Amino acid sequence: GENVEQHPSTLSVQEGDSAVIKCTYSDSASNYFPWYKQELGKGPQLIIDIRSNVGEKKDQRIAVTLNKTAKHFSLHITETQPEDSAVYFCAASINNQGGKLIFGQGTELSVKP
Amino acid sequence: DSGVTQTPKHLITATGQRVTLRCSPRSGDLSVYWYQQSLDQGLQFLIQYYNGEERAKGNILERFSAQQFPDLHSELNLSSLELGDSALYFCASSVNGGLPDYGYTFGSGTRLTVV
Repeated sequence: GENVEQHPSTLSVQEGDSAVIKCTYSDSASNYFPWYKQELGKGPQLIIDIRSNVGEKKDQRIAVTLNKTAKHFSLHITETQPEDSAVYFCAASINNQGGKLIFGQGTELSVKP
Repeated sequence: DSGVTQTPKHLITATGQRVTLRCSPRSGDLSVYWYQQSLDQGLQFLIQYYNGEERAKGNILERFSAQQFPDLHSELNLSSLELGDSALYFCASSVNGGLPDYGYTFGSGTRLTVV
């Protein structure tokens, strides 16, 4: 079945630095890749997503890149701020399996002021 | 407020008992998804309903069942509870039944503790 691996599990950066989180997926039929941010005591919140027909997408300080050949995708956060501290999850979806998402194990990002 | 409402927020119950978790999707959303989040397993897909019908199924235990009602709210029933069922249970909703156009919207979860 589909599997999503996410690295690193924890990431600590200084405020203003960039943070990169990487994910790989196993099923080449995967075609939708969202990223979620989860703050303590809250549900995951969608921050950006990308589809398999696009290589890169950017939204202000957040960008996602997709390499279909290598089956990996990455989240890039630039100019990090303390409020970016949270757990980030990548996920992959397969179109013929409803809206089911397979999540990575999460990355706990800590941005130090 | 995400628009997805889950009740109760916290639930403590004993092993062997049965509980029901409730989810009201965001207005206009037809699909409801249930996920289990535990420390060692991460976010695990349980089941999806679309407009009252089961659409996709994950590794949901036989002791667990769900349904979606005509008003589109959904309930997740967990029976013969075990200590290992302690987890956060999230509900999410989306407009359609297939690939989410804009991703899911998650609720704030129900924290289940089995003692």
